[in-house]
Amino acid sequence: RKEVEQDPGPFNVPEGATVAFNCTYSNSASQSFFWYRQDCRKEPKLLMSVYSSGNEDGRFTAQLNRASQYISLLIRDSKLSDSATYLCVVDTGRRALTFGSGTRLQVQP
Amino acid sequence: SAVISQKPSRDICQRGTSLTIQCQVDSQVTMMFWYRQQPGQSLTLIATANQGSEATYESGFVIDKFPISRPNLTFSTLTVSNMSPEDSSIYLCSAWGQTNQETQYFGPGTRLLVL
Repeated sequence: RKEVEQDPGPFNVPEGATVAFNCTYSNSASQSFFWYRQDCRKEPKLLMSVYSSGNEDGRFTAQLNRASQYISLLIRDSKLSDSATYLCVVDTGRRALTFGSGTRLQVQP
Repeated sequence: SAVISQKPSRDICQRGTSLTIQCQVDSQVTMMFWYRQQPGQSLTLIATANQGSEATYESGFVIDKFPISRPNLTFSTLTVSNMSPEDSSIYLCSAWGQTNQETQYFGPGTRLLVL
């Protein structure tokens, strides 16, 4: 079983749509959680950290359910520029990151 | 934020040779890491580069194949030794931000093709 599992997609959505990505992690000792974004042929960049209380940054909302070991990302009012691969990322406490395989999003005009 | 640069940005190498990749951070950082991203896949941690001591390798990665140096708090190198086509990948270094400890920044990556 992979340590971090994501639906690889692709998710093809029209502009303005709301899309949700889910992720599960296997190590219950995991301490920190993140969503990174990776554009084609670029390095990953932090989109947002994920907290148990949930957090929102503009059109993006992240949720963490520690009991279910489940992380989600919601994107509202999708833009063409949101097209990318979204990586669910976990830090088990060693300060090194474990990456999910990524979910590809394609927003279409 | 931490700015991370890598050299070379890309290379094409012959099997059996070795390539050393350099990673430079614009500020002193405690921890640096090396990741590999194989074609069509996500990132896999190779090792944690420790300043002043031997790197800590993840399962499946060994020092003889991927020797790492970390001579100071801003610089590290990764060598891919005795390369085979299976080593064709993107190699990325990373570090946690000095002021923003919640963000791990990545270098632009080194694209390696082994023929």
